Amino acid sequence: DVKVTQSSRYLVKRTGEKVFLECVQDMDHENMFWYRQDPGLGLRLIYFSYDVKMKEKGDIPEGYSVSREKKERFSLILESASTNQTSMYLCASSIAGGRTDTQYFGPGTRLTVL
Amino acid sequence: DQQVKQNSPSLSVQEGRISILNCDYTNSMFDYFLWYKKYPAEGPTFLISISSIKDKNEDGRFTVFLNKSAKHLSLHIVPSQPGDSAVYFCAASENRNAGNMLTFGGGTRLMVKP
Repeated sequence: DVKVTQSSRYLVKRTGEKVFLECVQDMDHENMFWYRQDPGLGLRLIYFSYDVKMKEKGDIPEGYSVSREKKERFSLILESASTNQTSMYLCASSIAGGRTDTQYFGPGTRLTVL
Repeated sequence: DQQVKQNSPSLSVQEGRISILNCDYTNSMFDYFLWYKKYPAEGPTFLISISSIKDKNEDGRFTVFLNKSAKHLSLHIVPSQPGDSAVYFCAASENRNAGNMLTFGGGTRLMVKP
């Protein structure tokens, strides 16, 4: 079974703090993704990576950056957290190539920015 | 502008009856569609998918129907069970890049009453 783990289930930070969200997958997947989930808006893609050190912006990259130094690990960074970044953050991974578009998700990190 | 829409934010169904969840899309380049199920405090899990070359795919109690001309897909659950109570997201992708990014709808909360 694919396992995607996220470093924290719940996180509370203050406005202006730098925040790191970590994601690790154990299935040697090439692709990794960061989403945020907000009520009524579904899952919106922040960034994705299709290889080590490669990254591409998703639909809502503003205020976020990412890092992928190792294949199994994909980090989301909030350089200066703001209250409008309070959300559920979900990491996912998938195999590259073909049409196996199925993404496997971690349990999510509920981030609250005060 | 949302390319994938789930116009019903919630749906309540009696146990044993059919649940029908609907999804509309606007991007004619989408050629692969997926449904995910999400329980509270967990990440979404893949449920069922369909390629645009088909109009129906069935897996046990779950069937997805695709109407390409109407740009509409639906998920049927028969019979519905209380354990099916969750938020359901439809997602779509186009074969345009190595990442095979998914675009998600806003979700429909299904409540199955015993």
